[in-house]
Amino acid sequence: DGGITQSPKYLFRKEGQNVTLSCEQNLNHDAMYWYRQDPGQGLRLIYYSQIVNDFQKGDIAEGYSVSREKKESFPLTVTSAQKNPTAFYLCASSIRREGLAGGWAKNIQYFGAGTRLSVL
Amino acid sequence: AQKITQTQPGMFVQEKEAVTLDCTYDTSDQSYGLFWYKQPSSGEMIFLIYQGSYDEQNATEGRYSLNFQKARKSANLVISASQLGDSAMYFCAMREGRNSGNTPLVFGKGTRLSVIA
Repeated sequence: DGGITQSPKYLFRKEGQNVTLSCEQNLNHDAMYWYRQDPGQGLRLIYYSQIVNDFQKGDIAEGYSVSREKKESFPLTVTSAQKNPTAFYLCASSIRREGLAGGWAKNIQYFGAGTRLSVL
Repeated sequence: AQKITQTQPGMFVQEKEAVTLDCTYDTSDQSYGLFWYKQPSSGEMIFLIYQGSYDEQNATEGRYSLNFQKARKSANLVISASQLGDSAMYFCAMREGRNSGNTPLVFGKGTRLSVIA
């Protein structure tokens, strides 16, 4: 089945520890995204990558790092510099569609099931 | 300034009734796209419906329709014949940026819909 797999489903971080959230997709999508969701809030963009070996910071990138060495994978590391990491993390992906007249905006982002991170 | 505003933190609807979830947006672009997603308690985001800024007709997908009023910059989601399984968070989102299909979406804060039997 094609889809986006996030693991683990639940993760606990100790003080001063770095943790890595996994996101893998087999949809052959070019672009991948990481969002953070706090209780009662919408999604905020952490990082995104439109192509392998390239990524851009989102609105709340501080304390996070990413890599995009393979098309299928976009892991997110929550570093010890992120002082308030408790949140729900969602990974998404979409096909790259540049320059399609009239159709570029309708590039649906598909999401994984999310990882819930808590601090011990 | 918020790009996407959802003014209803929570809504209740009787089963089998229709409900409208509000969304207003702010952009200076002429070309943009608007999306609605559903988030059940499991957490996964499910795409529901899309409206392009140049689309002349309101989008429809089964029981979902979008009341798009471009001049008012609103894109309200209408769910007809509500079902208990429609109880969830609903998010409005926008993509702007000329000709860039992979610009990330900007999301509103969501509306929690509760369907009552």
